[in-house]
This record gives sequence, C-alpha cells and structure tokens, in this order.
Amino acid sequence: GQQVMQIPQYQHVQEGEDFTTYCNSSTTLSNIQWYKQRPGGHPVFLIQLVKSGEVKKQKRLTFQFGEAKKNSSLHITATQTTDVGTYFCGTSGSARQLTFGSGTQLTVLP
Amino acid sequence: DVKVTQSSRYLVKRTGEKVFLECVQDMDHENMFWYRQDPGLGLRLIYFSYDVKMKEKGDIPEGYSVSREKKERFSLILESASTNQTSMYLCASSLLNTDTQYFGPGTRLTVL
Repeated sequence: GQQVMQIPQYQHVQEGEDFTTYCNSSTTLSNIQWYKQRPGGHPVFLIQLVKSGEVKKQKRLTFQFGEAKKNSSLHITATQTTDVGTYFCGTSGSARQLTFGSGTQLTVLP
Repeated sequence: DVKVTQSSRYLVKRTGEKVFLECVQDMDHENMFWYRQDPGLGLRLIYFSYDVKMKEKGDIPEGYSVSREKKERFSLILESASTNQTSMYLCASSLLNTDTQYFGPGTRLTVL
C-alpha cells in the first residue's frame, strides 16, 4: 500500500515561533488529510486536500499539497501552548482506509 | 456530533488470554476501522469493515480478528494475547465514500 514519511518526529519551539511538519511520498497521492492528537487524546480531523498545489488556511494553520501531489506540509504561525500535540498526515486508499505518517510531536515552551 | 465509544480506556490482561475490544458509533457510518498506536510508528491499520459481516485486513492483521454483526458495532479480538500486543488501540468510523474518520478515545491495553 501507499506509504507516507513524516518529518520531523519531534519539534520543540518557543511560544510565538513558527512550526512546520512535512509529509512525503514516493508515489502520487489521491488526497492528504491532517489530524491533531492532543496529549492523552485521540486523533481529530483537521482538513483534507485533494487538488494539486492546493493551499488551505485555518486561522494560524496553513496546509499545502504539492504540485506533484507527492508531498504536503502543515505550517503553524506564532505557536501557542494550545497547539501542543502530535500532528499526523494520512492518505486514503481505494476502500477509504487511511495510511498514516508516523506523526510529529510538537512541544511549545512558554 | 459523531460519537465513537470504546468499551474500556484501560485494560490489563495476561499472556494467552482472549481479549475483546468493543467499539460503537452512533452516526450510522458504514466504515469502521481498528488501529494500534505505538511511539514512533504512528497509527497502523489492523482491520477495517465497510459493511455488516464484511471485513478486510489492514497492514498488521496477524494475531487479531474482528467481528461486525451490527452496523454500529465493530469488535477487535485478540485470540491469545501476547506481550507485543501491549499498545493503544483506536477505533474509527466514517461514512461510505468519504475519507474523514472519527476516532474513539482509545483503549490502552497492557498484556503481562
């Protein structure tokens, strides 16, 4: 099945700094989804991207899907302590099953 | 709001025991999924189902089986639990032909 590699595995930032996590694949992806998992919580859907070069924003979060549909990024501007958690990218297969990246664990230092 | 519930938040079992993890969703979703989550490995798909009595193997089905007798309920079964099955187990559901998955709170299983 499809595989997605996610980097970095961990990221520590000072509150107010920016943060980016990347998701890469060797094959063309039909779509990319992003989920956030707070410490002790479960993954919660953030967004889905399906079009080549697509960019979507949610307040301080910017999501991009590469032109070749082989990579994606999530960028957070001016992080806050509420942004703490693990961010996962995932891509769906023909039966709607998701293949997830290994996640980026974000720590925001006050 | 979609609600996905799992029978236990924490479970401790002994090696060789048969373990049942239950998942129930209340939004009439056709698709249901079982994942395990381990540090550094992300979420890995064990089994999924897109209809009652239907099941498909995911990426790591070995040592597990599933049952879906009713649309709202999807059970994960460990026939003979082993210590390497100690993990967080997450259930999810989605509507047919959609990709967005809704997750339950998870069951942290420890096998001694």
